[in-house]
Amino acid sequence: QVQLVESGGGLVKPGGSLRLSCAASGFTFSDYYMTWIRQAPGKGLEWVAYISQSGGAIYSSDSMKGRVTISRDNAKNSLYLQMNSLRAEDTAVYYCARWNEGMDVWGQGTTVTVSS
Amino acid sequence: EIVLTQSPGTLSLSPGERATLSCRASQSVSSNYLAWYQQKLGQAPRLLIYRASIRATGIPDRFSGSGSGTDFTLTISGLEADDFAVYYCQQYSPWTFGQGTKVEIK
Repeated sequence: QVQLVESGGGLVKPGGSLRLSCAASGFTFSDYYMTWIRQAPGKGLEWVAYISQSGGAIYSSDSMKGRVTISRDNAKNSLYLQMNSLRAEDTAVYYCARWNEGMDVWGQGTTVTVSS
Repeated sequence: EIVLTQSPGTLSLSPGERATLSCRASQSVSSNYLAWYQQKLGQAPRLLIYRASIRATGIPDRFSGSGSGTDFTLTISGLEADDFAVYYCQQYSPWTFGQGTKVEIK
């Protein structure tokens, strides 16, 4: 079945780095834009970044610009988010999602906690 | 950046009642590029509506979206127990989310 599974979350110190991964299955991964969305504890949804099918077009939110890099490996059906210079306010559940004029498939999320 | 403001913040209704959720944009949303999502506690969001009024695959017809320009509405006709959740609007030209409306049981 169509599925997205995130991994790579965890506890990291302020200023540290983390790389999130998202494994896709059940659909032709290379046909879709893919996105990362995050949700801080008790807060709403916030778009982080998205990437075109080939990876040629990449967009990231102002709140994380310069600190995140979104990438994909279509041969491995995988999406990535490299996060650097992490801050306490980056603590959130990070979801990957498939973009199909609307985010129609979501992963279960991976939790990132930034704390000393 | 287009700011989306959802109202009300919380809607207290009984099962069977009609829910009307508003999403207002700070400037016109091009081509009605607006989506609605439902999120239950501890779960990932689920796409309900895209392009302001088109139901996503598998979404019951009690969910409907309407509006254009700067004013959009999600209507749930006849609330069921499974519908009590938080609802978010999102515009994708470029991308921003509203802050959410919680629909709770009265």
